Order: sequence, then C-alpha cells, then structure tokens
Amino acid sequence: DAGITQSPRHKVTETGTPVTLRCHQTENHRYMYWYRQDPGHGLRLIHYSYGVKDTDKGEVSDGYSVSRSKTEDFLLTLESATSSQTSVYFCAISESFKETGEETQYFGPGTRLLVL
Amino acid sequence: RKEVEQDPGPFNVPEGATVAFNCTYSNSASQSFFWYRQDCRKEPKLLMSVYSSGNEDGRFTAQLNRASQYISLLIRDSKLSDSATYLCVVDLNTGFQKLVFGTGTRLLVSP
Repeated sequence: DAGITQSPRHKVTETGTPVTLRCHQTENHRYMYWYRQDPGHGLRLIHYSYGVKDTDKGEVSDGYSVSRSKTEDFLLTLESATSSQTSVYFCAISESFKETGEETQYFGPGTRLLVL
Repeated sequence: RKEVEQDPGPFNVPEGATVAFNCTYSNSASQSFFWYRQDCRKEPKLLMSVYSSGNEDGRFTAQLNRASQYISLLIRDSKLSDSATYLCVVDLNTGFQKLVFGTGTRLLVSP
C-alpha cells in the first residue's frame, strides 16, 4: 500500500464546468502522475510532477492543468469539462525497490468522471 | 504501430491450466519492464518486474527477449482469483519514469 488516496471517487458533471480531482499521498514521494484510462487505450499520461511547483505535460495534456503546492497533494483540473474527458482517472507515485533500486509506479484507487 | 502491443483476449482457461501472455514493444531503448494486474473497476497493481534472465514468483514466470523486443508472462496452475486483466508495461527510460502501458490481456479462469 503506497498510501495514495483520490477524491472524489465518483463525479458527474456537466459540459463546460471546471472540475478538480485531488490525489493525496502520505509517504513523501517526489514523483506523482495523473493518468486517464479509456477502453481500447492503455493508461495515458496527462501530467506529472517531480516536486513542489514542478510539473510537466504528458501525452494527453490538452484541456487539463495541474498544481502541486505541497509534496503530498497533486491536483488535476479540467478547465472546462467536455464529454471526451469522461474517463477513469488514476493518480500514481514512483517508488524504488529497496533490493534493486529499480523504480516503478503505484496507483491510487481512481476517480470515475462522467461529463454529461 | 503501438508502442506496446498485447493480445486483448479474453483467454478462457479452466482452473489448473497453464496460460501464457505475450507482449511486444517498439522502443529498443526501453530499460525496465513490468507486468501489472488490474481487476475490474480497480487500479492497476504491480505483479512483477521482468528481467533479461527471466524471473519467477510462485506460479508466475516472466521473461524478456530484448533482441525480439518481446515480453512474456506464464501463469501455472491457474486459480479462479487469477481472473483479471494483465497489463504489459514498459519504461521508456527518458529521464523521468515514463511508463507506456499496453491495453491489457483479459484472463478468465473458470471452475
């Protein structure tokens, strides 16, 4: 358990409204990520963060912004939600294996967003 | 061509069967490889890393063939609880951990 929570877990909203999803971690991980998962696609990276106030775009960042004002929180904002942003959103952190130093990612429980 | 390709399945097998999943990746610079498991309506969870020498964890064996850019996962003595979607994941080694996910292979184990 990597100590990651996401809120809300489910949300229904209307087209054109702003929406903010929150990812919270308790173990001081430097790297945090936002992904979306849709049928027929693998998880796709939206944005990631490599420290407080340090963020960068992923492959599907259009229509999304992020903020990280504290190590433990990484917020994803849909500036003006569209139906194409209906998806399941996962937050993740990077953690290294103690034995090998290899890094991998651990995921939060996800947020199901429906944009009507 | 997709960066990571998997057969979507579903693979329907009886309990106790051995089943193998394959995955190909396109970026030869990839350094790290993983299999994740995802249950319906849940988050992906790390199943195991994949090493060039092959590695085993109980009933699960993962292998990597760098020359062919091919990764495999073998599950022996399948259990009902193995029913899930298995995601092949590749780290593109771009300076930060950029993981590329396959779309997954669905496994259904029946009694």
